[in-house]
Amino acid sequence: KAGVTQTPRYLIKTRGQQVTLSCSPISGHRSVSWYQQTPGQGLQFLFEYFSETQRNKGNFPGRFSGRQFSNSRSEMNVSTLELGDSALYLCASHEGQGEAKLFFGSGTQLSVL
Amino acid sequence: GDSVTQMEGPVTLSEEAFLTINCTYTATGYPSLFWYVQYPGEGLQLLLKATKADDKGSNKGFEATYRKETTSFHLEKGSVQVSDSAVYFCALRKPGGFKTIFGAGTRLFVKA
Repeated sequence: KAGVTQTPRYLIKTRGQQVTLSCSPISGHRSVSWYQQTPGQGLQFLFEYFSETQRNKGNFPGRFSGRQFSNSRSEMNVSTLELGDSALYLCASHEGQGEAKLFFGSGTQLSVL
Repeated sequence: GDSVTQMEGPVTLSEEAFLTINCTYTATGYPSLFWYVQYPGEGLQLLLKATKADDKGSNKGFEATYRKETTSFHLEKGSVQVSDSAVYFCALRKPGGFKTIFGAGTRLFVKA
């Protein structure tokens, strides 16, 4: 089985722009979670989706949004980028609702200049 | 709220040394506990897990025991290798929950 695929791998944007990141989960997995990883803050939870429904949301401003499609693929969007949004964004898929074991992609490294 | 606390790194050891990385948690109920490992340039991968008190998770020579009385899940390995150099994350997730909470991570360096 193919693993979790995140695209793009690297992204450079400037302040004020918006960005969309994509995540394709492992085939058959219906849940997707997103995390922001920074050296100072570790892994911060952004969202978790199951069957196109957002099941939980972390403590991030409204500029951060996401969605999940009927094929379980997920996207997250960050609008009006700030310097502090520079981070590695990780997506993880899991088999079912509430399923504990996460399978991570390699992440999208976002740099905001 | 629920949280996970790990010992700060980096931890530097010589090859074949004994490893302990401390992890304690705060949570209501009975969460499942995990250790994930992140190698350079990669995402996290599950190393081991335990789902109830006194369970021992083990994988690749690593072990951790779910201690409800001390709310701890310390990671141990008897003899580390250079290839174990990575960042290790302790995590918890409640049954039926929709969020996995991670500790800050502990970087391990193993010298030959």
